[in-house]
Amino acid sequence: DQQVKQNSPSLSVQEGRISILNCDYTNSMFDYFLWYKKYPAEGPTFLISISSIKDKNEDGRFTVFLNKSAKHLSLHIVPSQPGDSAVYFCAAKNSGTYKYIFGTGTRLKVLA
Amino acid sequence: DARVTQTPRHKVTEMGQEVTMRCQPILGHNTVFWYRQTMMQGLELLAYFRNRAPLDDSGMPKDRFSAEMPDATLATLKIQPSEPRDSAVYFCASGNIPVTEAFFGQGTRLTVV
Repeated sequence: DQQVKQNSPSLSVQEGRISILNCDYTNSMFDYFLWYKKYPAEGPTFLISISSIKDKNEDGRFTVFLNKSAKHLSLHIVPSQPGDSAVYFCAAKNSGTYKYIFGTGTRLKVLA
Repeated sequence: DARVTQTPRHKVTEMGQEVTMRCQPILGHNTVFWYRQTMMQGLELLAYFRNRAPLDDSGMPKDRFSAEMPDATLATLKIQPSEPRDSAVYFCASGNIPVTEAFFGQGTRLTVV
């Protein structure tokens, strides 16, 4: 049972435009959410996170939005750059535990 | 520059052989994770340790997989016997959860033929 779902396996965006990556979850006990970026032949690297008590967190070109009622979060990248081309994973942590549950990833391709 | 180190980076083995993957977490991190990356499941959590104690290994096939943390500088993931369906990239990660995020190693690409 996939508790964290990324329903779009891939996304292509023109350079300079906005990229929106989506993530849905089923467990209402999740209290912390993260986005990781992964390049080929490398491990995932942390990008941005958000606590369940917030609905938005921004870091430079990256903004994460959390809609708890819809159990949905999204990552906005604006403007998108070719170097942003990678696989993006969302992850969630259950309150009272220390483990991160990851989604299946979305491959973003930013076209120059 | 602190990083999570995994060895080997690549491993090709025959079905039925034992495979051991090693991980050196970042010094001072209290939580160590083992994940497996597959196309269908994304990053699957296999097991994790908190202050070297195993907290959850429900993601592992218990009959063939085992995870241990003999000391604070070493975590191991063992498969015995290995099967072709175990072919995947295995990642180790460590962090000071919940204070910091998890930092990933570069992974071990396992191929079982």
